Amino acid sequence: AQSVTQLGSHVSVSEGALVLLRCNYSSSVPPYLFWYVQYPNQGLQLLLKYTTGATLVKGINGFEAEFKKSETSFHLTKPSAHMSDAAEYFCAVSQLPLDMRFGAGTRLTVKP
Amino acid sequence: EAEVAQSPRYKITEKSQAVAFWCDPISGHATLYWYRQILGQGPELLVQFQDESVVDDSQLPKDRFSAERLKGVDSTLKIQPAELGDSAMYLCASSLLGGRGGGSNEQFFGPGTRLTVL
Repeated sequence: AQSVTQLGSHVSVSEGALVLLRCNYSSSVPPYLFWYVQYPNQGLQLLLKYTTGATLVKGINGFEAEFKKSETSFHLTKPSAHMSDAAEYFCAVSQLPLDMRFGAGTRLTVKP
Repeated sequence: EAEVAQSPRYKITEKSQAVAFWCDPISGHATLYWYRQILGQGPELLVQFQDESVVDDSQLPKDRFSAERLKGVDSTLKIQPAELGDSAMYLCASSLLGGRGGGSNEQFFGPGTRLTVL
């Protein structure tokens, strides 16, 4: 079975500060890992994904994530937060071809 | 840019009534998903179609929920009768491939239908 744990349901940072959203997964086989962002009353938009190859993955809007197999983690970072980054972020893992599991989400607040 | 379309965007109904949601995936996408997202939680898969066939409906409450994708293109999710606990966002997503082929299983999401059951 596969599962995703997002540490911290709510993260607050100041504008310009580092953003770090934590995601740990469990999977019995090498997983595919994703980060999605959701703005209020909208669907989910893919930020980035890890499939194979380079463990540091760069996505849209300046976000990146690093796959660490030894730590079973896939934390999302951004060097400098912008007000427009305020949203809900979901980590997801896909193990089987037809199966994706989402974490509970982390709400990011950016203070001016 | 191609998008997943959903309607209605918002639906308010009374319990015991029937409701239906519609989804039109991105053209050419073989796989279609329906998710339920309860406020404050991540999406949970209800049903997955590969073309017109259901490949996973293990989490679909079949006593009241039904889904179809008759021609393998657009899809309808129905709830009858609706219960208070069904209040949630219902998200539709589609992907080009149903399997790992090529290493991509990116799902593209529609804007969702927010259901409120009174």
